[in-house]
Amino acid sequence: DAGITQSPRHKVTETGTPVTLRCHQTENHRYMYWYRQDPGHGLRLIHYSYGVKDTDKGEVSDGYSVSRSKTEDFLLTLESATSSQTSVYFCAITQYGPYGYTFGSGTRLTVV
Amino acid sequence: EDKVVQSPLSLVVHEGDTVTLNCSYEVTNFRSLLWYKQEKKAPTFLFMLTSSGIEKKSGRLSSILDKKELSSILNITATQTGDSAIYLCAVEAISTGANSKLTFGKGITLSVRP
Repeated sequence: DAGITQSPRHKVTETGTPVTLRCHQTENHRYMYWYRQDPGHGLRLIHYSYGVKDTDKGEVSDGYSVSRSKTEDFLLTLESATSSQTSVYFCAITQYGPYGYTFGSGTRLTVV
Repeated sequence: EDKVVQSPLSLVVHEGDTVTLNCSYEVTNFRSLLWYKQEKKAPTFLFMLTSSGIEKKSGRLSSILDKKELSSILNITATQTGDSAIYLCAVEAISTGANSKLTFGKGITLSVRP
């Protein structure tokens, strides 16, 4: 498996608090992505990065920000968590070639 | 806006049956179509189909891309209980500056009963 880890694996937080999720890769891949997965919606793109300090919005970016100061780390921040952001968050990196994208193990976030 | 539609949304079969999962798409600047299998955790890669590789096979699984119809099918023959999972279809498109991103369908939940 590609070296991609997400932290934390599980988190419960209160409405209105800031939360940061981390995605770390050891593959030196250029592209990194944050998705959320919800029942009935599948996987939806939040933000993605195509290099250090180069990021762009996905289809559900409201309420989220990202940062990528190093190739290996892509951080997703919920500025002020809401219950609608309760979800499973997946980070992904691309491996160009016949293998598609590789996903991290996910972070289950619950906002109470 | 890019769109990927999978059907059916759920399916229950018995071991030994053959199933066909469908995926249709509407995207700008298509690059590839990917199938993933998701059990309890992260999606795992199955196939990647492009204009130069429209048919893939691995064991009991096979997939075909129809670029004219903007669709793909994933076939599973002689199903086993271990095939029970969510099957995700995703389409990769080139966005601004040659960067690419995936748009996923909602997934198909397959249940294989003994």
